[in-house]
Amino acid sequence: KNEVEQSPQNLTAQEGEFITINCSYSVGISALHWLQQHPGGGIVSLFMLSSGKKKHGRLIATINIQEKHSSLHITASHPRDSAVYICAANQFYFGTGTSLTVIP
Amino acid sequence: SQTIHQWPATLVQPVGSPLSLECTVEGTSNPNLYWYRQAAGRGLQLLFYSVGIGQISSEVPQNLSASRPQDRQFILSSKKLLLSDSGFYLCAWSVLGTGVSGELFFGEGSRLTVL
Repeated sequence: KNEVEQSPQNLTAQEGEFITINCSYSVGISALHWLQQHPGGGIVSLFMLSSGKKKHGRLIATINIQEKHSSLHITASHPRDSAVYICAANQFYFGTGTSLTVIP
Repeated sequence: SQTIHQWPATLVQPVGSPLSLECTVEGTSNPNLYWYRQAAGRGLQLLFYSVGIGQISSEVPQNLSASRPQDRQFILSSKKLLLSDSGFYLCAWSVLGTGVSGELFFGEGSRLTVL
């Protein structure tokens, strides 16, 4: 069993839809990371959180420490949001990613 | 501002040949440095991390080694590549002292194909 599990693996949405990506982890953490990987391979850090909720533009990340669960929400999705979203526990354990495609 | 560069971006190597991937960080001092590998269809795997010059921690026993000859330089090497070494290699840095909580900043990646 992987230390970090993400769902769904693949997600297709219409432009404007509200999107949720889930992440469950089984290890103790100091921080939960959400990363975005573009088709060319480059990875960008979106959020790093250890409690509560963070918001950046149309992206919202939440974490429930007791349940060892985090969610990434995208409001008013846009085709440029199409990417792979990766959850990571600390800097050591990574999920396999959620591939998001937003259709115009 | 801080930047991170790694090269080469793409390489195709025969089995048994050596490997050297380089990563440099600019605009910061004493960064934590990391090498990750992303195999096809799999998540990122931490290979090595370093908190200072000459200080290397290996997370996964393998055919690879890492070195940090200068504060902002991190090198991934192999003496003899295996087919299983194929993958996408990413260098990353975080601010020293942030431990496992530090935000990660990634390089552009190096895609290695071993034939």
